[in-house]
Amino acid sequence: DAGVTQSPTHLIKTRGQHVTLRCSPISGHKSVSWYQQVLGQGPQFIFQYYEKEERGRGNFPDRFSARQFPNYSSELNVNALLLGDSALYLCASSPTGLFSDTQYFGPGTRLTVL
Amino acid sequence: AQRVTQPEKLLSVFKGAPVELKCNYSYSGSPELFWYVQYSRQRLQLLLRHISRESIKGFTADLNKGETSFHLKKPFAQEEDSAMYYCALSGTASKLTFGTGTRLQVTL
Repeated sequence: DAGVTQSPTHLIKTRGQHVTLRCSPISGHKSVSWYQQVLGQGPQFIFQYYEKEERGRGNFPDRFSARQFPNYSSELNVNALLLGDSALYLCASSPTGLFSDTQYFGPGTRLTVL
Repeated sequence: AQRVTQPEKLLSVFKGAPVELKCNYSYSGSPELFWYVQYSRQRLQLLLRHISRESIKGFTADLNKGETSFHLKKPFAQEEDSAMYYCALSGTASKLTFGTGTRLQVTL
């Protein structure tokens, strides 16, 4: 198993554009979470999905949205990009999404907004 | 509200010296606590979690509910321990709240 995979690896966008980031969880994992990691900070929780339903949302504006597909893969969408959206976006999967689960992280997508 | 504090951005120790990475948390319930590690050019990975009470790569961490701490310790640092360490808390669902991380630098 390759573990959690994310695409693309790197992305450069300009202000005002939108972006779609993709994540494939570990086989058998039904929950996917998204985190934003700004340079020098720890990851910050954006969303959690379980069985295609949003289970949790962090303190991020409505420009951020996500969805989970029947095969449990997930997309994170960010509209109207701002310079401050430049960050490493991490996806994590877990078997059930319960608080006691261990989350397994992907390598991340590095987004640069110019 | 959930909060995790790691007071040190950088901890530099000599090889063979003891290591303690500090982590304090704030949460009103009974949290699940984790230490994640990120080695150079690798993804974030779980090092240990308090519920399993394991020792991984010689590291241990004890949950002190009175002091709301979950410090990471190792008696003898190795060069390969050099990495970024994040303390994290899970209180609701599997939302993880991370600290800002401590970079451990082990020198000869």
